[in-house]
Amino acid sequence: QVQLQESGPGLVKPSETLSLTCTVSGYSISSGYYWGWIRQPPGKGLEWIGSMYHNESPYYTPFLKSRVTISVDTPKNQFSLKLSSVTAADTAVYYCVRVHPSRFKPRYFDYWGQGTLVTVSS
Amino acid sequence: EIVLTQSPGTLSLSPGERATLSCRASQSVTITYLAWYQQKPGQAPRLLIYDTSSRATGIPDRFSGSGSGTDFTLTISRLEPEDFAVYYCQQYDSSPLTFGGGTKVEIK
Repeated sequence: QVQLQESGPGLVKPSETLSLTCTVSGYSISSGYYWGWIRQPPGKGLEWIGSMYHNESPYYTPFLKSRVTISVDTPKNQFSLKLSSVTAADTAVYYCVRVHPSRFKPRYFDYWGQGTLVTVSS
Repeated sequence: EIVLTQSPGTLSLSPGERATLSCRASQSVTITYLAWYQQKPGQAPRLLIYDTSSRATGIPDRFSGSGSGTDFTLTISRLEPEDFAVYYCQQYDSSPLTFGGGTKVEIK
């Protein structure tokens, strides 16, 4: 059974860097899937942040590309998200996801973490 | 960027009724690269349908997807009490991957 679990601070100050880690169990992170992050501001819809295969360059949404870094730690079976220079607009529930590939690109999201609320506030 | 517009915003129906949810894309989605997700309050979304019409593992057959090009539909043949939730479509034809704004299916 594939399981994903987000961890990290629930409160980040404006202008600082948001850092989250996703721990994967039940599946090897280097075994053929992409891994990524999606966020959902309170009461709003879903926004894809980016996806990464363990030994390839990541895909990012252009709207956050200048501030986002996704990386994979294969020995720990974890992947992480860093979002720099945060503002209140970055307040959201952040989900880590397994991303099903097709034709060598990330496609749809078949497993989700439970989500973690990150609030940006001083 | 492919923009997805879902309609209606809210659908008020009774258990046992048929639900038809629409997802329209701003440009053609090739190779039927469209998925549907269900989200209940306080929970993560769950994959229902991928590749326009393929049900994900464990999804009951009252859920079906159809469509092509720019117009896609999720149909729930007979609503069960656990089906009242918000539904999102997502395209994965081109980057950035995008979601529709959601349709809330509520109890009438």
